[in-house]
Amino acid sequence: QVTLKESGPGILQPSQTLSLTCTFSGFSLSTYGMGVGWIRQPSGKGLEWLANIWWDDDKYYNPSLKNRLTISKDTSNNQAFLKITNVDTADTATYYCARIDLPDYFDYWGQGVMVTVSS
Amino acid sequence: DVVMTQTPVSLSVSLGNQASISCRSSQSLLHSDGNTYLSWYLQKPGQSPQLLIYLASNRFSGVSNRFSGSGSGTDFTLKISRVEPEDLGVYYCFQHTHLPYTFGAGTKLELK
Repeated sequence: QVTLKESGPGILQPSQTLSLTCTFSGFSLSTYGMGVGWIRQPSGKGLEWLANIWWDDDKYYNPSLKNRLTISKDTSNNQAFLKITNVDTADTATYYCARIDLPDYFDYWGQGVMVTVSS
Repeated sequence: DVVMTQTPVSLSVSLGNQASISCRSSQSLLHSDGNTYLSWYLQKPGQSPQLLIYLASNRFSGVSNRFSGSGSGTDFTLKISRVEPEDLGVYYCFQHTHLPYTFGAGTKLELK
């Protein structure tokens, strides 16, 4: 059974660094063709893809966030991470992690974690 | 960036009828490897999105055969036959052929 669960700080102030953790089970990020992606959704709005990390540690980022993103993984502990530096109120959203098992893309999603950036 | 344009923005359908959602991309989604990386997701109220279709026309495991995806190049369609109450929510198309990967703005399926 594949599950993913996001965790994060809940609330943080502008200019701080947002650190998110995706803890998953039912698959391994060391398996060929596996990946984890991060997607966010401001309240009442659409989805925005942020970053992917793959089994071979290949990484892809959305350049719209201007090099503020860092994705990483801990294969031994079945976790993936996303850091967003210098956050702003525009980063307030629900953040999801989702599995990629090629050719299926984002076939399993976490429940999402709400993050609020406020002074 | 590839712009994904979904129409209509909202769709009112009677139970048992068919619904059709269009997704057009600003560039061809045919990858150099021969695949078309277009997926469809449904986000039910208060839930995370769920995968319906991958590679434009392949139903994900466990997805009802009432859902079908078609299209190529820049024009794609999701059809839902015999709409049921559990089909209501927002549908998103998503391309992962060209970086950055992009979602459509969504189509809200409602009951008439």
